[in-house]
Amino acid sequence: AQSVAQPEDQVNVAEGNPLTVKCTYSVSGNPYLFWYVQYPNRGLQFLLKYITGDNLVKGSYGFEAEFNKSQTSFHLKKPSALVSDSALYFCAVSDRVDDYKLSFGAGTTVTVRA
Amino acid sequence: NAGVMQNPRHLVRRRGQEARLRCSPMKGHSHVYWYRQLPEEGLKFMVYLQKENIIDESGMPKERFSAEFPKEGPSILRIQQVVRGDSAAYFCASSLVGGGNQPQHFGDGTRLSIL
Repeated sequence: AQSVAQPEDQVNVAEGNPLTVKCTYSVSGNPYLFWYVQYPNRGLQFLLKYITGDNLVKGSYGFEAEFNKSQTSFHLKKPSALVSDSALYFCAVSDRVDDYKLSFGAGTTVTVRA
Repeated sequence: NAGVMQNPRHLVRRRGQEARLRCSPMKGHSHVYWYRQLPEEGLKFMVYLQKENIIDESGMPKERFSAEFPKEGPSILRIQQVVRGDSAAYFCASSLVGGGNQPQHFGDGTRLSIL
């Protein structure tokens, strides 16, 4: 069975500082990996995905994520955080058999202070 | 630029009643997925449908829950005889094609409260 772990419930950073949200996964075979962001009372917005190819994936709003197969990680990063980045972030994984079936982590709440 | 539309946004039901949640996918999308989000948890897969077909319902409780995606009209998630434990946010997502290499686009969800 596939699973995702987001080890930090909360991440707090100052505006302008780098932001990292951690994600590790467990899946049979090669994964599809995704990051989504959720604002209060809204649905999930797609940020980026890793399918194959370059380990560094660039996505929306200046976010990027690095796929590390040996560490089974897919950490989300942003070089300079904005107050508007404050939200709930979810990492998700699927395997390549039931590849439509996303498994989500419990989420990490990011707070960026001015 | 209509995204995935879900209605109602909020639904209150008493125990034993029926809840119907509707989802209109993004224009051109024929693949629909339903997820449930309990408080303080990530989303859990429930069911995957393609027009008129249920592809995978392995995440859906065997009793009281059903889903459909008719040829015309929105996808419907139906919960019969609701219980307190059904209180959750239910999200629908759609994609242009099936498969994990296409991102799923989510609606804003229906928040179901059971009295």
